[in-house]
Amino acid sequence: DQQVKQNSPSLSVQEGRISILNCDYTNSMFDYFLWYKKYPAEGPTFLISISSIKDKNEDGRFTVFLNKSAKHLSLHIVPSQPGDSAVYFCAAPAIIQGAQKLVFGQGTRLTINP
Amino acid sequence: DTAVSQTPKYLVTQMGNDKSIKCEQNLGHDTMYWYKQDSKKFLKIMFSYNNKELIINETVPNRFSPKSPDKAHLNLHINSLELGDSAVYFCASSLRGGRGGYTFGSGTRLTVV
Repeated sequence: DQQVKQNSPSLSVQEGRISILNCDYTNSMFDYFLWYKKYPAEGPTFLISISSIKDKNEDGRFTVFLNKSAKHLSLHIVPSQPGDSAVYFCAAPAIIQGAQKLVFGQGTRLTINP
Repeated sequence: DTAVSQTPKYLVTQMGNDKSIKCEQNLGHDTMYWYKQDSKKFLKIMFSYNNKELIINETVPNRFSPKSPDKAHLNLHINSLELGDSAVYFCASSLRGGRGGYTFGSGTRLTVV
């Protein structure tokens, strides 16, 4: 039962252009969402989050949009830079056994081409 | 000054062996987790501990036994290793409730041959 889904395993974007990574979810009770970035041989690192009461959160080159009616969120990176090449995971907090856990999508590998 | 450190980074072992992965965090967090990233790249929670107490045990074979001697450490012991246990295991920590997000270690790549 995959509550958070990223249907694009990979994305290739030219340097300087906009990168858009998408995520869909099934549980309308999620009260916030997070994006993590992962380089090879490293653990995921927190990038940006958004509360379910908002539809947009911006942090520098990174903006996350939330469409609750569609149960969809997206991460926009503009302008894209070579250092943005990584795997991006979206995540949301689910309650299981009375405790919170983060559930993750399967990730999208972003490649920024010079 | 690594925030969440896990050792070893790589582990190659034969089927049937018993192995341990150690994790330590110096962030003052009170909740720690083990996640498994399988061959399909899904990150799935295995265990969660809060202040040394097990709070999540997510349908993991009982060959996997976490141990938390204190709230800064969460080790993972695996008995009778099987080929299907090959994966990358990530330790993470957070404040209780996880609202500030999780901090992950760099992962342990376990290969069972």
